[in-house]
Amino acid sequence: GQQVMQIPQYQHVQEGEDFTTYCNSSTTLSNIQWYKQRPGGHPVFLIQLVKSGEVKKQKRLTFQFGEAKKNSSLHITATQTTDVGTYFCSKPGNNDMRFGAGTRLTVKP
Amino acid sequence: DSGVTQTPKHLITATGQRVTLRCSPRSGDLSVYWYQQSLDQGLQFLIQYYNGEERAKGNILERFSAQQFPDLHSELNLSSLELGDSALYFCASSAGQGLYEQYFGPGTRLTVT
Repeated sequence: GQQVMQIPQYQHVQEGEDFTTYCNSSTTLSNIQWYKQRPGGHPVFLIQLVKSGEVKKQKRLTFQFGEAKKNSSLHITATQTTDVGTYFCSKPGNNDMRFGAGTRLTVKP
Repeated sequence: DSGVTQTPKHLITATGQRVTLRCSPRSGDLSVYWYQQSLDQGLQFLIQYYNGEERAKGNILERFSAQQFPDLHSELNLSSLELGDSALYFCASSAGQGLYEQYFGPGTRLTVT
């Protein structure tokens, strides 16, 4: 199945700094989902993007879906220690289920 | 609480043994997914069932098998266990396929010694 590539693998920021993780696919995606996994926890659904060029916001989190529907990003403004965790993008499909490798975010207070 | 339950929480067993992991999806969800997450690794999709039928297969070893029962709960069977099978196994459920978000259970941590 087609992979979704996610970068960076790790990101360490100072509290208050911004953070962005990127997800790229070699094929056009019908939709993309984002999940967050806190340390020791399970993945939790954050959002789904479906439309080309779509932008959705959840408080300090901004999610974008590329115009060609081949890439997506998650941007966190002014990170807080509660943002710590691994962020995964997911390419759900009827015959395949692929998660990116995830970006592990650590935040220094 | 996602509404997805998994048992047991922890499992310690020896190489060569066989174990069964159990998952109960959220009420009303028809799809069940199984994932393997090794230490500090990503989520490896194993298999998906929808309303009792296998719908998608990922990187599932031949030593592993799964099924979804009429009451929609699912079991993942792991046999001839190897040290490398030690991992966190997550079950997730969703209302359907594709455009539906997945709700993950707390996971079963399997340790093979």
